[in-house]
Amino acid sequence: GQQVMQIPQYQHVQEGEDFTTYCNSSTTLSNIQWYKQRPGGHPVFLIQLVKSGEVKKQKRLTFQFGEAKKNSSLHITATQTTDVGTYFCAGKGSNYKLTFGKGTLLTVNP
Amino acid sequence: SAVISQKPSRDICQRGTSLTIQCQVDSQVTMMFWYRQQPGQSLTLIATANQGSEATYESGFVIDKFPISRPNLTFSTLTVSNMSPEDSSIYLCSVVVGGSTGELFFGEGSRLTVL
Repeated sequence: GQQVMQIPQYQHVQEGEDFTTYCNSSTTLSNIQWYKQRPGGHPVFLIQLVKSGEVKKQKRLTFQFGEAKKNSSLHITATQTTDVGTYFCAGKGSNYKLTFGKGTLLTVNP
Repeated sequence: SAVISQKPSRDICQRGTSLTIQCQVDSQVTMMFWYRQQPGQSLTLIATANQGSEATYESGFVIDKFPISRPNLTFSTLTVSNMSPEDSSIYLCSVVVGGSTGELFFGEGSRLTVL
């Protein structure tokens, strides 16, 4: 079945440093979604990427979808303490089911 | 968007008992799902709750263990039956809102601890 790998599992940064999490699918995806889960909270949708090579920005967050539509990344510029949480990618395959990656837990030292 | 209320928010249960989790959405939704998130882990889809018919279960999940009801387009329940400590998890209700791009909206989750 479809597998979505996400690395790193954990990332600790100093406030102001950049952060990147990577997502790789075993199969070609129809789209990929990103979610953020604050500690003790529930996942909240951030963005969806659909097109090959697509790049989208939300303030300090940059999302990319690979040309082959099998990988994606989330980059945060100049992290802040409010960025703390677990970031999940979720890939939608040909069967339209959403498969979540294991997530990257980001901690930020003020 | 959608506002999703889940009850209970947390519970401590004894081994062998069953617990029913309720999910109420503030608008009619077509797609409703139940996910499990074990401590520090990712989200695993248990089943798709189908209105007026039997739920569609993912591999590794069966109706006898996780019976699901969905009597209408705004409400669903998930029962965790004959619980064991391995069932200790957060159970999340999620929906796709009509007209959206397919993103999931999640409830606050129900944190179950089985002793």
